[in-house]
Amino acid sequence: DQQVKQNSPSLSVQEGRISILNCDYTNSMFDYFLWYKKYPAEGPTFLISISSIKDKNEDGRFTVFLNKSAKHLSLHIVPSQPGDSAVYFCAASGGDMRFGAGTRLTVKP
Amino acid sequence: NAGVTQTPKFRILKIGQSMTLQCTQDMNHNYMYWYRQDPGMGLKLIYYSVGAGITDKGEVPNGYNVSRSTTEDFPLRLELAAPSQTSVYFCASSYGGRPEAFFGQGTRLTVV
Repeated sequence: DQQVKQNSPSLSVQEGRISILNCDYTNSMFDYFLWYKKYPAEGPTFLISISSIKDKNEDGRFTVFLNKSAKHLSLHIVPSQPGDSAVYFCAASGGDMRFGAGTRLTVKP
Repeated sequence: NAGVTQTPKFRILKIGQSMTLQCTQDMNHNYMYWYRQDPGMGLKLIYYSVGAGITDKGEVPNGYNVSRSTTEDFPLRLELAAPSQTSVYFCASSYGGRPEAFFGQGTRLTVV
């Protein structure tokens, strides 16, 4: 039962352009949505979150948008930098925390 | 400033052996989690705990056991290891009421 889905396994963008990572969920009881960033051989690190009562949260170059009616969220990174290259996981919290399969972002110089 | 500490970092087990993956956190977090990540896949929740003495199953609990006797420690026990348990295991913790979790560095387990 995959409650959180990231349908794009990879994304490649040019430095300075916008990166948009997408995530869909099925359980309307989730109350928080999060994005984590993961480098090889390390644990995931928290990036940004959004409460289910909001539709946008911004932190510097990172913005998360939530569309509850579509059960969809997205992470925008503007401008993208080579150091942003990593695997990005979408997660949803509601008692426990469930993760998507991840999207590997590559930012080319 | 340790955060979440997992031991060991690497382990090779033979089929049928047992072991305990250790996880400890020093942030006084009440929530703790165990996840596994298979190659090319996301993190699957094995077990979680909302406080000492309380544990609950996640998505993939079969073949594992946990206990939470203190706030700091949340060990994961593998009984009768199987090749399907070859994975990278991550422990995480969070403070109830705040959604963001902090992860350990992971334990890479191979069952042969």
